[in-house]
Amino acid sequence: GAGVSQSPRYKVAKRGQDVALRCDPISGHVSLFWYQQALGQGPEFLTYFQNEAQLDKSGLPSDRFFAERPEGSVSTLKIQRTQQEDSAVYLCASSGLAGASVTYEQYFGPGTRLTVT
Amino acid sequence: AQSVTQLGSHVSVSEGALVLLRCNYSSSVPPYLFWYVQYPNQGLQLLLKYTSAATLVKGINGFEAEFKKSETSFHLTKPSAHMSDAAEYFCAVTPNDYKLSFGAGTTVTVRA
Repeated sequence: GAGVSQSPRYKVAKRGQDVALRCDPISGHVSLFWYQQALGQGPEFLTYFQNEAQLDKSGLPSDRFFAERPEGSVSTLKIQRTQQEDSAVYLCASSGLAGASVTYEQYFGPGTRLTVT
Repeated sequence: AQSVTQLGSHVSVSEGALVLLRCNYSSSVPPYLFWYVQYPNQGLQLLLKYTSAATLVKGINGFEAEFKKSETSFHLTKPSAHMSDAAEYFCAVTPNDYKLSFGAGTTVTVRA
């Protein structure tokens, strides 16, 4: 498809379980972002990749959160030992074709709704 | 540091009436500003963006926004609301780098 895709769309995890959320960005996009959106709130920045390099992980709430993008395309956000406060929608966005002018415009996927019980 | 304040978490308008959603920002440098719309169970869709060109920006679905530096505002308007405009709207800012900071959002309901 032409847009950003994420899987699974919904995930229910028992407290203490590990989860992995996948993001397929728009083909050719250099930049990839993860955001966390709590219920009734705007998205909050988690981390940013440029190709395979993770340039900013300042928004990751704890060391239980880990993100990777090993080949500069698909990315995975992993949450270890999930807690109830991790319940949120996790949004992935991508932007920036190599060599194109920078516009800072980000294209978002539909998100993964994580519920920790 | 940059931040965004959206005034009013809920706005209710009649079909055909003006839609006005307020956004004020703070930024240490001239910002790039965006409005996104989010329909239930969907991701964010870009409505329009300000990138230091024209101060009046036209977007999709009949929306427009005006950048006012003196008021540090970027309010979103649509002259005539349609039922399909019912959604949540987010204002976002980035000060010339990659990280978007979002407001808390404004939910729009449209009355028939």
